Amino acid sequence: DSGVTQTPKHLITATGQRVTLRCSPRSGDLSVYWYQQSLDQGLQFLIQYYNGEERAKGNILERFSAQQFPDLHSELNLSSLELGDSALYFCASSATGQGYTDTQYFGPGTRLTVL
Amino acid sequence: GDSVTQMEGPVTLSEEAFLTINCTYTATGYPSLFWYVQYPGEGLQLLLKATKADDKGSNKGFEATYRKETTSFHLEKGSVQVSDSAVYFCALSTLRQFYFGTGTSLTVIP
Repeated sequence: DSGVTQTPKHLITATGQRVTLRCSPRSGDLSVYWYQQSLDQGLQFLIQYYNGEERAKGNILERFSAQQFPDLHSELNLSSLELGDSALYFCASSATGQGYTDTQYFGPGTRLTVL
Repeated sequence: GDSVTQMEGPVTLSEEAFLTINCTYTATGYPSLFWYVQYPGEGLQLLLKATKADDKGSNKGFEATYRKETTSFHLEKGSVQVSDSAVYFCALSTLRQFYFGTGTSLTVIP
């Protein structure tokens, strides 16, 4: 158990809908990262937050947004969902914002299925 | 741009065999390199890391050396066990970006 929690575990929704994925980092960790894992694209970095502020951005679509709250939990919002958004979404956390040396601790993931 | 390329799988080995999973990278600057492992139904967990050239990361019998001259970070283990069956990801991080390889599935048979 990494100490990172993600809810829900599974999510099934329809095209065009909007969903929110939630992540609670390990106790004491200040950074949260979001990743998308799909069969054709592999594991893709989406975005990083550090202590409430956006710190780094990867291949995140404009339909997706995220935020980190004062209690350090984070939410990833996916809107206007398409079939291709079906994937496993991982959250990770690390102690500091120094991502290039930090160990990232991954949650168990949320499996999103868009029908 | 920055990227990581790792050996395609799947890899099937007998117990106690030697394991090598190749990983090469392209990066500007001085990235950190990681190997993560993903067991079925779980998230990724750090196996080992190296943050500068010539560093060797090691854990649970696995080793990898950060080779700047060959831009490589190959994963090795001298004697694999059935419990090592998993998907292995090579990863690179810079100050603002994080890149993962496509993953190599390893199955160890008794």
